[in-house]
This record gives sequence, structure tokens and C-alpha cells, in this order.
Amino acid sequence: SYELTQPPSVSVSPGQTARITCSGDALPKKYAYWYQQKSVQAPVLVIFEDSKRPSGISERFSGSSSGTMATLTISGAQVEDEADYYCYSTDSSASHRVFGGGTRLTVL
Amino acid sequence: QVQLVESGGGVVQPGRSLRLSCSASGFTFSTYVMHWVRQPPGKGLEWVAVIWYDGTKNYYGDSVKGRFTISRDNMKNTLYLQMSSLRAEDTAVYYCAREFASMTGESYFDYWGQGTLVTVSS
Repeated sequence: SYELTQPPSVSVSPGQTARITCSGDALPKKYAYWYQQKSVQAPVLVIFEDSKRPSGISERFSGSSSGTMATLTISGAQVEDEADYYCYSTDSSASHRVFGGGTRLTVL
Repeated sequence: QVQLVESGGGVVQPGRSLRLSCSASGFTFSTYVMHWVRQPPGKGLEWVAVIWYDGTKNYYGDSVKGRFTISRDNMKNTLYLQMSSLRAEDTAVYYCAREFASMTGESYFDYWGQGTLVTVSS
């Protein structure tokens, strides 16, 4: 089955840039999406189609993708950005959806 | 405004069955593909199942295939997940989610419910 691989954790100091990666064999042909989840709340979309930001999402959040790796970048990370971040995509047939294992971002 | 409200969670013994519901409002339910996504306590998100807007197609994650059935009633604006042969590893918060279909041909989840907790334990 298709998998997306993320690092379990990333830690930065406030004001630094955090980068969270997501690797998957289908990413050269499929977009990556990024969800933020705080505590036990429902996930919130922060990046779609590799690099687009939904309305209402801070400009600190940006995304990119190259080859089999997508990257979520949080510029000038703030304490309120502490959360779990999940990449999401589909397999090559588009019938199955996949989440990465999630990355816990710590800002301290 | 779009609302998705899950219900039906609770404590169930291993091997038993449970049906979850997701009541939708604020949009034309019958025109959207819908999903179930789950999250075990302290763990990551896992996609569970998808059903086409008209119910003609559905797909399942490998861990639930053959045990779970996704369905919908467009007249009642409700999504269902029938879970059978439940195992301890099915313990999770279950979210229903609406799929947004982009002009690119791809799609993603744009609205989520608040989730309902299913605990499988003897």
C-alpha cells in the first residue's frame, strides 16, 4: 500500500524557520496537502496543491514540492504554531487516500 | 454554514458491531463525495473509507476492508459507517469529512466533523 513518510518531530525556537518534509513515490504526479491539528481538534488545511494557502491561513505557512518530496515551511514560527502536521495525498489510482504519519512541531 | 456532526460512538466489545452516523447540513450533501477518517488515541490520522456522491462507488483502507461498510442516505443528508468484527486496534476518534473537488482533478478534505470516539474493549 502507498505510504507518505514524515519525520516524527521537528523543533525550532520562536522566530526560526521550521521545515517539515513528506516523501512519497507518487508525489511527482500527485499534489501534496498539509493539515494542522492542535490537541484533539479536527485537522485544518494549511496548504493545498503543493503550495497554495487557503484564505485565513497565515502567510508564515508555505509549501513546495520537488520530485518525491514535499515540504511545509513555517517562516518565523510562533508558539501558536505548535501542533501536529500531516501531509496528505492520493495513490496513483486516486482511489485510496493517504496521510503521512504526522510531525509534531515544537516551538520553544 | 457547513456542519458535520458525528454520532454513534461508544464502548463496544471485541467482535461486536457498531454503526456511526454523520449528519450533514449547510450544503447540498448529495453532490459531495464523503469520507471517514480515524485517529487512534495519541496516534496519527488514518483514512478509512470513501463513498461517491451518489453511493455508486466506495473504497476502503486495507485495515478495515471486509469489516467496515460506508453508506449514505442522500434524502436524510446522512453518512454512515457500519463497523463489524471490531478489534481493539479499531479504537479511535472517527471523523467524517467532506471532499472538495478541485479544478485540477484532485481533491482534499475541506470540512471535518468534531469526531466521535469508539472504544473497543472487553
